[in-house]
Amino acid sequence: GEDVEQSLFLSVREGDSSVINCTYTDSSSTYLYWYKQEPGAGLQLLTYIFSNMDMKQDQRLTVLLNKKDKHLSLRIADTQTGDSAIYFCAESPTGANNLFFGTGTRLTVIP
Amino acid sequence: DTEVTQTPKHLVMGMTNKKSLKCEQHMGHRAMYWYKQKAKKPPELMFVYSYEKLSINESVPSRFSPECPNSSLLNLHLHALQPEDSALYLCASSPRDSREAFFGQGTRLTVV
Repeated sequence: GEDVEQSLFLSVREGDSSVINCTYTDSSSTYLYWYKQEPGAGLQLLTYIFSNMDMKQDQRLTVLLNKKDKHLSLRIADTQTGDSAIYFCAESPTGANNLFFGTGTRLTVIP
Repeated sequence: DTEVTQTPKHLVMGMTNKKSLKCEQHMGHRAMYWYKQKAKKPPELMFVYSYEKLSINESVPSRFSPECPNSSLLNLHLHALQPEDSALYLCASSPRDSREAFFGQGTRLTVV
């Protein structure tokens, strides 16, 4: 499979911004995704970005894509305790009918 | 309706049992997937159905048998599982390829 790397843990205080980072390997990836997984639950699609874009904003979420460095980030503004979860980035290489997930980052929001 | 519904939510089965996991979506998506997720790990692809035909089998043991009876339903038949098969089994669907895949809540399977 593809190598998609994320840092394992991130702690932030409530109200601060969170930035979750991801690096991927396949430069042909057409779409890159961020999923959220709460304990014992399935994956919730948060947002995605097409590879010809640099940035996408959706309410409190901002996705930045540096295609040259194969680096993707998710910024959550005004982080709330309900944002505590595991966040997975995923890539979908061109021609592959599959999602390759990163290792996941566990975000802990401290009240 | 943007839901993928999986049943049951929890399943405990013995190594000699036969059981089935079910997945349903009514979004008109033509690609459906089974993923397996072990604790503290990312999901790993097992099977992909595209237009009701099996298009990818990621070298999954034959004790797991997928079935796609129609464009809205996906089953995973289980037989003679091992304790190491205990995991969260996730179903997903997408309009085509793997874009905007929507996941169900999963079935937590425990093999005893």
